[in-house]
Order: sequence, then structure tokens, then C-alpha cells
Amino acid sequence: GNSVTQMEGPVTLSEEAFLTINCTYTATGYPSLFWYVQYPGEGLQLLLKATKADDKGSNKGFEATYRKETTSFHLEKGSVQVSDSAVYFCALGGSGTYKYIFGTGTRLKVLA
Amino acid sequence: DAGVIQSPRHEVTEMGQEVTLRCKPISGHDYLFWYRQTMMRGLELLIYFNNNVPIDDSGMPEDRFSAKMPNASFSTLKIQPSEPRDSAVYFCASSDRSSYNEQFFGPGTRLTVL
Repeated sequence: GNSVTQMEGPVTLSEEAFLTINCTYTATGYPSLFWYVQYPGEGLQLLLKATKADDKGSNKGFEATYRKETTSFHLEKGSVQVSDSAVYFCALGGSGTYKYIFGTGTRLKVLA
Repeated sequence: DAGVIQSPRHEVTEMGQEVTLRCKPISGHDYLFWYRQTMMRGLELLIYFNNNVPIDDSGMPEDRFSAKMPNASFSTLKIQPSEPRDSAVYFCASSDRSSYNEQFFGPGTRLTVL
């Protein structure tokens, strides 16, 4: 069945450091891939998405490329800020269903 | 648009009591999802509806949990009787076919069962 594997956290970085959060997936068909962010005490917000292979999603300085050959959708940001501290979820959707498969979430803490 | 609305935002109750959580999806969305989030189990899909009809309730933990969607603008998740292990944050989300399955989440209801 479909699945998402996300790197374990927490990840602690200094401000302006480079961020990578790994996400790999297993799926049949042609799913869409998403990164959601959850700030403390809030619901999940869509950060970026990609709907087909080789698509690059980007938002607020974050990027992720849908790589079918490596079944990956890694999240990157060149220079993190304290305000990026949150939990990040990778999710797989579509491919014949409207259900999402969520990763376990990666907590990011950015220190000033 | 107001986004997905959930009420109450916080609920504290005693074991054995009935709890009802409410959700208003984004107008025009035809899919509605209920999730539960805990530290131990992460984010779990409980049930989802399409056009007010339950499509998949395989994530509902047991018969104490029930969900309804009487119309396109309202859904409830009920726990009866509640137990301490039901303590969690419950999220509602909605989506439509045109948004490549993008789901829009509500702010959640934090439930504490004493």
C-alpha cells in the first residue's frame, strides 16, 4: 500500500542555516505530494505541493521537488529563521483516493 | 472565506461523559475529514465524507466514536462514553476535487478527558 517515510526529529538549527527534511514515499499510480506546517497550537497549513513528477513546489523560501526516480520529496530552505520553528509533515494524496497518507512529522527548532 | 471552523476549541470533560465536536467546512468543498493527533500516534485519519456520505471510517478506533454529516455545511464527531485515552487534538479538514486534493485544516479541538 501507499506509505510515507519522513526523517525523525527533532532538528535543531541555528538561524540562517540550511535545512533539509527528507521524505520518501511508496505509491501506486500518480500521487500528489504535499508539505504541511504546523505552528504551536495551530492546525496544519499547506506549505507547498507538487502534482506530478519533476514539479517543484515552493513557498516562503521553502522548496521541494517531486522525484519519481528516487520516490522522494525532500523539503529544503537555504536560510532558516526562528519563525520557521514548527512541525513539518510530508503527505501523499490522490492516486485514486482523496485520503492523505501523512508522515510522522519532523519538529524543527531554530535558535537565534 | 472564513476557513474551516471547529468548536469548541478546548473541551475538558470527565470519563464517561458524552463529547460532541463540531466542524463547518469551507463552503463549496465536498470532502470532509476528521483527524486525531496525539504525541504517541501522530496524525490519524478517523473518517472522511464525500457529499455528506461516509466513505471510509476504517480509522474510527471503536464503537464509542461516531461521526455524522447531516448537510454540506456541518459535521459532528461524537465520543460516548469518553475515556482518558481519547485525550487528543481533533482536527477537521475539507477539500474539493479542483484543488489536487489539497486539504484545508481547521484550528482543532483540544480534548482532555479526566
